[in-house]
Amino acid sequence: GAVVSQHPSRVICKSGTSVKIECRSLDFQATTMFWYRQFPKQSLMLMATSNEGSKATYEQGVEKDKFLINHASLTLSTLTVTSAHPEDSSFYICSAVRAKFGYTFGSGTRLTVV
Amino acid sequence: EDQVTQSPEALRLQEGESSSLNCSYTVSGLRGLFWYRQDPGKGPEFLFTLYSAGEEKEKERLKATLTKKESFLHITAPKPEDSATYLCAVQAGSGGSNYKLTFGKGTLLTVNP
Repeated sequence: GAVVSQHPSRVICKSGTSVKIECRSLDFQATTMFWYRQFPKQSLMLMATSNEGSKATYEQGVEKDKFLINHASLTLSTLTVTSAHPEDSSFYICSAVRAKFGYTFGSGTRLTVV
Repeated sequence: EDQVTQSPEALRLQEGESSSLNCSYTVSGLRGLFWYRQDPGKGPEFLFTLYSAGEEKEKERLKATLTKKESFLHITAPKPEDSATYLCAVQAGSGGSNYKLTFGKGTLLTVNP
């Protein structure tokens, strides 16, 4: 199969602190992972493409210094929201691609910044 | 810029009442059109991939079709457990961005018993 695990599922943090979200491909190696953000009743918006061993590619309007992405291995990509503010509260979802299985999504992380 | 528009935004059906969801798209060089189901607080769950106009795929009560401008997700005799948000996404190829998916806003389907 193609299973993607995302952790944590929910996190509440104080304004100004940083939060790390992990995305793991459990039964395959993923050279490319994607990070999305989804606001209530809105579409999934691609934030960045994470490539193993190289710098992430960010979409226009996404602050790379605020949303740090590290894809240090073929099974793990992390998204760190630095100096979080209430407007960063959202649902963050990762995805990975596996040949013949297509795109598989994690279960998402609900971030609430208070 | 790739665009995906889904309609209606919300749809309420009675159990057993068949209907269709629409996904219209504007892309340069469609590589694939995807349908996903998303339950509240969860990530999208894969349903179908369609690659060329005229293609159809079925899974239980769902059937997806594709034309050059739009895709339909037909739901036959839906059950309450089919209630979810259905997302449409397109993959359009151009150089290094050929794995990107562009999503529509989704259709929130509610099936009443």
